[in-house]
This record gives sequence, structure tokens and C-alpha cells, in this order.
Amino acid sequence: DTGVSQDPRHKITKRGQNVTFRCDPISEHNRLYWYRQTLGQGPEFLTYFQNEAQLEKSRLLSDRFSAERPKGSFSTLEIQRTEQGDSAMYLCASSFINTGELFFGEGSRLTVL
Amino acid sequence: GNSVTQMEGPVTLSEEAFLTINCTYTATGYPSLFWYVQYPGEGLQLLLKATKADDKGSNKGFEATYRKETTSFHLEKGSVQVSDSAVYFCALSLNDYKLSFGAGTTVTVRA
Repeated sequence: DTGVSQDPRHKITKRGQNVTFRCDPISEHNRLYWYRQTLGQGPEFLTYFQNEAQLEKSRLLSDRFSAERPKGSFSTLEIQRTEQGDSAMYLCASSFINTGELFFGEGSRLTVL
Repeated sequence: GNSVTQMEGPVTLSEEAFLTINCTYTATGYPSLFWYVQYPGEGLQLLLKATKADDKGSNKGFEATYRKETTSFHLEKGSVQVSDSAVYFCALSLNDYKLSFGAGTTVTVRA
């Protein structure tokens, strides 16, 4: 399977714990995106990378959130000191530069108790 | 700011019925417009797109026309199948290709 893969698919954690999600994009793609989706809503943009450079971060991304793409390949999204409001589906997508066709993974669902 | 408003669901149809999902947008520039679809148990995938006014995007029997005068990009299909059951998202992007999505419309097609 050469699509976008995300790990883990499901994560249940207690409030205050740290969690990390990993995304492996399609290998030829330069851009990698993180989105967050809550029930009944469309995905909301969090951040994106072009190669290893993080080019934009949404105001939704508080200081507790950090994303990296160290070698321009896979990416991690870490949430520190999780809160119940962080419960959501975290989506990763990748694309070539200058195309609106994003390829999405199936998402990582976070539940904070 | 930039935003997308799409028809609320859920929508339930019989096979071979006509489907339309309304989508309107607000944007500060001249956006590209997209429809993404999410089938059960799968990730979102691009269904069709249009990059300028009066363009028509089409794929899998679905069509949508970029109407600048009404700021709309309504999705239509003339004869739906059970396999079209999914959640449909309208989205826009400006030059940086950061997508802004609507809330999604759940469509269920009954045999």
C-alpha cells in the first residue's frame, strides 16, 4: 500500500498525558498537512510542511501542539498535557506542490478521558 | 475570512434518484473549489475540482460548476447508486492550497 498511513489509529489517554501521532506520506510528495476533525464538522487546518520546513501554523495550534518533519519524509504531531477538548480525529495528508489534490490518511482518533 | 457553507444532511435517497448538494463560499480572493468524498472506513479523497469561474469539474458521474456570480459550487449526480453512500465535503483554497472545508453532508442511498 503506497498511500498515506497514520499511526496509531486510535489512542485513548488520560487528561494531562502527552501523545504523539505519526504520519507517513506518499513518498514522492513534497507537502504534508495536518488537519483536525471533530464530529459533524469538516477538517480544520492545523499546519503544513514543504519538505522539512514548517510553512504555516494555524491559530488552532496552541503551544501544547508541536509538529515536525525532520527529514522531509514522515511527520509527527505531539500534543502535550492533553485536555478533553483535544479529543478529535487527527488527519494527515500529502500532496505535490501547487496542486489541490491532497491524499489523506485514515486518521488517528484521540480520546482524552 | 474564507469559508464554505454546504447543505446540511443527512440526505437519504433511493437508487437512481437525482442528487444535489448545495455549496456556497466566501473568499477574499479567487479560490479553487473542490469536492472531497469520504467513503465508510476510508480517508478523504478528491472527487472533483474547478480552478476558475465557469469551469465544470466532473468525475464518477458527479458534476459541479464554479459559479462566481452566485459564489456556489453545487454537486450533482443524475442517478445515484448504493456505492455513492458517503460523506461529501465542499472545500476551497487560495493560492497556497490550504483547504478550508465545509461541515460535510452525509448521503445514504437505499437499494
